[in-house]
Amino acid sequence: GAVVSQHPSWVICKSGTSVKIECRSLDFQATTMFWYRQFPKQSLMLMATSNEGSKATYEQGVEKDKFLINHASLTLSTLTVTSAHPEDSSFYICSARAPLAGYTDTQYFGPGTRLTVL
Amino acid sequence: KQEVTQIPAALSVPEGENLVLNCSFTDSAIYNLQWFRQDPGKGLTSLLLIQSSQREQTSGRLNASLDKSSGRSTLYIAASQPGDSATYLCAVTNDYKLSFGAGTTVTVRA
Repeated sequence: GAVVSQHPSWVICKSGTSVKIECRSLDFQATTMFWYRQFPKQSLMLMATSNEGSKATYEQGVEKDKFLINHASLTLSTLTVTSAHPEDSSFYICSARAPLAGYTDTQYFGPGTRLTVL
Repeated sequence: KQEVTQIPAALSVPEGENLVLNCSFTDSAIYNLQWFRQDPGKGLTSLLLIQSSQREQTSGRLNASLDKSSGRSTLYIAASQPGDSATYLCAVTNDYKLSFGAGTTVTVRA
């Protein structure tokens, strides 16, 4: 089946620093990847849609200058949290869109990255 | 904007009892509906995916139904086990985007 990996799985950083999270589709090409954020005991909220070779589309209320997304290849998207602050501490999950047996719209999820900003 | 609601928010049952988890959504023009399992601090595990043209899907002890016209889906887990303890998330796809419910946290007591 389609496998998506994320790196790192967890990261702790100081306030004011930037953190990069990678999302890779391991055995398929993904023209579209998605980034979600999940706060404790809450559901996943879509942050942005990342299309290979073009600018990401951000959901309302998500700061594009703070959450930089780069989808440089068909298997890699990166999320950079710039000048991180404690309120950015969260669980970040990516997904990659792939065709499934004749259907075009299935997302496969990565294992998530736990970010803690001190 | 799609709104997805899951009831109940939490559920505790003795081992062996059947589980019934409910999901409702406001916009019936969905492409598909998925049920996921999430263990504490972990990512998502896809359990079942129902395309909009389908009424139900089954996998082992899991059965999910979909009534698109009424905006409802139900996940049934038969003969629950302690290993079924987790949070179960429902998500629907509109315009290539997934909208998630807040989840139902299930505890199965041995």
